[in-house]
Amino acid sequence: SQKIEQNSEALNIQEGKTATLTCNYTNYSPAYLQWYRQDPGRGPVFLLLIRENEKEKRKERLKVTFDTTLKQSLFHITASQPADSATYLCALEAGGGADGLTFGKGTHLIIQP
Amino acid sequence: GAVVSQHPSWVICKSGTSVKIECRSLDFQATTMFWYRQFPKQSLMLMATSNEGSKATYEQGVEKDKFLINHASLTLSTLTVTSAHPEDSSFYICSPRGGKVEQFFGPGTRLTVL
Repeated sequence: SQKIEQNSEALNIQEGKTATLTCNYTNYSPAYLQWYRQDPGRGPVFLLLIRENEKEKRKERLKVTFDTTLKQSLFHITASQPADSATYLCALEAGGGADGLTFGKGTHLIIQP
Repeated sequence: GAVVSQHPSWVICKSGTSVKIECRSLDFQATTMFWYRQFPKQSLMLMATSNEGSKATYEQGVEKDKFLINHASLTLSTLTVTSAHPEDSSFYICSPRGGKVEQFFGPGTRLTVL
């Protein structure tokens, strides 16, 4: 069966360091992979999208890599700040625009001052 | 990003009653509407997909007669939880989709059934 795995345990990072989150998937050939931020009691907020033919995408302090051979995406936050503390969700879509997303459980990131 | 609203943001109801949740896309037209739910410490799970003017399609395990979806316009969709039971208590989130690949989500509705 299709599966998306994220390290659901809390990840503690010291402020100013780079936080790296991992998303692995199996039995899936996604056309896109998306990363979202979710704060407690709120809906997900879109951060970055990377296509299957792209290796890397950047947006300000965020960077996403996508390795379709390893079936893995890495999400980096550089110069992390306490305000970056949240749950980060990886989501896959098969493509075509007609499908909803399949989400991982998310990784809870804590940036310590 | 797109602006999506949901109403109410939270609701508490008695078992056996029905609850309607509204989702509006405020700055774009949504040809497709996705409804998700999220149980505590779980991932978002797709419940159903609807296209404007058409009947919704439901994911396996989601009762179509229990979760009624109306997508009558390009800016408004509603999810009605009929005869709600405590196990329906969850966080319901809509995701309207227009022409962009990125998907945007509403702020969510917390449903508690007593």
